[in-house]
Amino acid sequence: KAGVTQTPRYLIKTRGQQVTLSCSPISGHRSVSWYQQTPGQGLQFLFEYFSETQRNKGNFPGRFSGRQFSNSRSEMNVSTLELGDSALYLCASRGAAGITDTQYFGPGTRLTVL
Amino acid sequence: AQSVTQPDIHITVSEGASLELRCNYSYGATPYLFWYVQSPGQGLQLLLKYFSGDTLVQGIKGFEAEFKRSQSSFNLRKPSVHWSDAAEYFCAVGAKSSGDKLTFGTGTRLAVRP
Repeated sequence: KAGVTQTPRYLIKTRGQQVTLSCSPISGHRSVSWYQQTPGQGLQFLFEYFSETQRNKGNFPGRFSGRQFSNSRSEMNVSTLELGDSALYLCASRGAAGITDTQYFGPGTRLTVL
Repeated sequence: AQSVTQPDIHITVSEGASLELRCNYSYGATPYLFWYVQSPGQGLQLLLKYFSGDTLVQGIKGFEAEFKRSQSSFNLRKPSVHWSDAAEYFCAVGAKSSGDKLTFGTGTRLAVRP
């Protein structure tokens, strides 16, 4: 089975721009979560989608948004980029809609904001 | 709110030596506990998890962890470290009451001395 894939792997943007990151979950998985990883704040939960519905949301400003498609693929969007948005963005998928199911992480998208 | 503390930011051990990485959590009820490992440039890989039952859990790559409710701890151990174990290790806690999201510790970076 193919793992979680994220595209692009690396991205460079400038302040004020917007960006869209993509995540394809493991086949058959319906839950997709997004995390932001930075040296200062560590791993922080952004949001989780299940069957195209946002089930949970972390404490991030409204500039961060996401969606999930009927094939379970997910995108996250960050508008009006700030320098502090530079981070590794990780996507994770799991099969059942529950914490007892193992969450599998993708390799991440490294976003650099100049 | 749930939280996780990993008091050791960086640990260096000699190859073949034993390892213990500390993790303390804060949560009112019985938490769901996880250990993940992240190699450079990679996403996170699940080492082991604890939900209930036997407090000593076995994971992949020869790792084990022990849940101690009285100490609110979930320390990760390995009897003999290999050079390939050099990576960053994250402890995480989750709960159904928090919508199944994971809260991660700040991580412990492990270096292995030859």
